[in-house]
Amino acid sequence: EIVLTQSPGTLSLSPGERATLSCRASQTVSSNYLAWYQQKPGQAPRLLFYGASSRATGIPDRFSGRGSGTDFTLTISRLEPEDFVVYYCQHYGSSPYTFGQGTKLEIK
Amino acid sequence: EVQVVESGGGLVQPGKSLEVSCAASGFTFSSYWMSWVRQAPGKGLEWVANINQDGSEEYYVDSVKGRFTISRDNAANSLFLQMNSLRAEDTAIYYCAREGQLGAYYYGLDVWGQGTTVTVSS
Repeated sequence: EIVLTQSPGTLSLSPGERATLSCRASQTVSSNYLAWYQQKPGQAPRLLFYGASSRATGIPDRFSGRGSGTDFTLTISRLEPEDFVVYYCQHYGSSPYTFGQGTKLEIK
Repeated sequence: EVQVVESGGGLVQPGKSLEVSCAASGFTFSSYWMSWVRQAPGKGLEWVANINQDGSEEYYVDSVKGRFTISRDNAANSLFLQMNSLRAEDTAIYYCAREGQLGAYYYGLDVWGQGTTVTVSS
């Protein structure tokens, strides 16, 4: 089973700043099948990126994903107020899939 | 509209059983892998199980193996999760999700329902 470790657990920034979220895997993620999700309070998660760097439909270009192997990053270039929620990474290359524990983005 | 809608959650006593369902619409259900993901109160996401297009392959997280069974009815565009020997730690919102796919390329869980709440308590 691949263990995904997200850091930091909580990130405190101001609107307009740049956010960098990390996801590290305990072993290589096959085919770069690494996804990022955003979850707002009381809502289901929403797919942001798949294949580590491919933006899902409707996701603003201020969001970007990169990485390969065991190290992946989600970057939000200019934070908007609605971006201050929780983000999860997930590998889906082989079952069992696993999620990281999440990074909460909070307003400083 | 592409959507999945969960149902069947509720309050159940420890050791008892419950089946939750997911109704899919707006896409060719039989062409996609499907997953169940859960979220305990105030906690993160946990992938629970998935099933391939014709139901011949199933995978589970270790904590539910032998207790939960995922299944599907492609004629009825429905996904199920039969949960037996329920424990307090199974208390969570259970989400149904489609595994996005185009040909041989997979692109994560791209369609999610709003979830159904399962509470295990005496």
